This record gives sequence, C-alpha cells and structure tokens, in this order.
Amino acid sequence: GQSLEQPSEVTAVEGAIVQINCTYQTSGFYGLSWYQQHDGGAPTFLSYNALDGLEETGRFSSFLSRSDSYGYLLLQELQMKDSASYFCAADSWGKFQFGAGTQVVVTP
Amino acid sequence: KAGVTQTPRYLIKTRGQQVTLSCSPISGHRSVSWYQQTPGQGLQFLFEYFSETQRNKGNFPGRFSGRQFSNSRSEMNVSTLELGDSALYLCASSWDRDSSGANVLTFGAGSRLTVL
Repeated sequence: GQSLEQPSEVTAVEGAIVQINCTYQTSGFYGLSWYQQHDGGAPTFLSYNALDGLEETGRFSSFLSRSDSYGYLLLQELQMKDSASYFCAADSWGKFQFGAGTQVVVTP
Repeated sequence: KAGVTQTPRYLIKTRGQQVTLSCSPISGHRSVSWYQQTPGQGLQFLFEYFSETQRNKGNFPGRFSGRQFSNSRSEMNVSTLELGDSALYLCASSWDRDSSGANVLTFGAGSRLTVL
C-alpha cells in the first residue's frame, strides 16, 4: 500500500534546530513536498524535492533520498511563529499522498 | 494576484442530503485537486482535474464526485451525506510542473462541512 510516516510531535526552544523525518512507500513516485499548516489555516507550500539532495530556502531546508525512500525537513533558528503542523507529501504524478503531520511546538 | 477561492466556507447539512462545493483556482492554473481533512485521517486525496479531465482519483466511494469547467473552476459533490463526511474540504490549484519538476499546490481556505 501507499503510506508516509512522520513523527507526530516535536518540541523545541526558540533558536533551536528541528529535523522532521519522513519515510514513504508509494507507487509512481515523482517528488517529495512539504507543507506548513497553522491552526485554522490552509496548508502552505514550503519546499519540493524532485531530485536527490538538499534544497535550501531561507531557514528551511529539505532533503530527499530516493534510494532510501526518505526525506526530511530541517527548520533552523526556530521562531515562535514556526509552531504549526508540518506535512510531507509524496507526489505521484499529480496525486499527492500526505503524511499524518508533525506538530511542532516552539517554546520560549 | 487572487488566491484560491472556495465557497461556501461553512455549511451544515443533515444525513442523506447532498452538497456541492466550489473552487476557483489561481488564474492560469490548470490543475485543481481536492482533499478531505479530518483530525483522525489527516489530508486525504479525493481527485485531481486537469483541463476538464479527471487525471487522478483517490480511494473514496462514488458518492464523491467532481468536475472542472473550461475556465478551470471546479466543483465537488457529495451525495447521500453521512456523519463521517464531516470534514474540512480543501481545494488546491497548481500550474502543473515548473522547470525544476516541482508541482506546487496552493490551497484555498477550505469549506467546513458539518453533517448532523
């Protein structure tokens, strides 16, 4: 079957670094994407990895290893506003399978 | 530019009724996909439309259907509503793939359906 696994919750202090791992099992895999969702809000795009390796966008970076069916999102210099749910999503040619989400709690 | 617009934002229905939700994508986006979000199941893919054709379909019963019009606007319909259909229904649009291969979804605020 198709599935994505990611931790349910991560807690860290402001200024820290957090890594959210995502393992996937899906057919027709094209790329791995990450979305952020604040309570009551819509998911917003963070990054997309179509190729193996690291993609960096400001404080956020994302990594993909196709051979390991694994990726991660790295949040650096955590800020209070980063408290949200983070979803990895496997793109199978337009059909996105989402993980259950990781709740990131940032404490002062 | 305007984002993805979903209507209605909130609605309450009773079991057995049917509902139609609407989604207006970002101008120029040809792909529209629909997702059901519930606390227990997370984001579940319903279907994707591209240039008026259903290109992908998730694992939902036939009560869930959709369509896309020539202006890329999309509607989804749920017939014979069940209590378990209570959820946030999210629509997302995308241009398709950019030069790097990325397919970026832009989500609307969602339509929150409550079935009593």
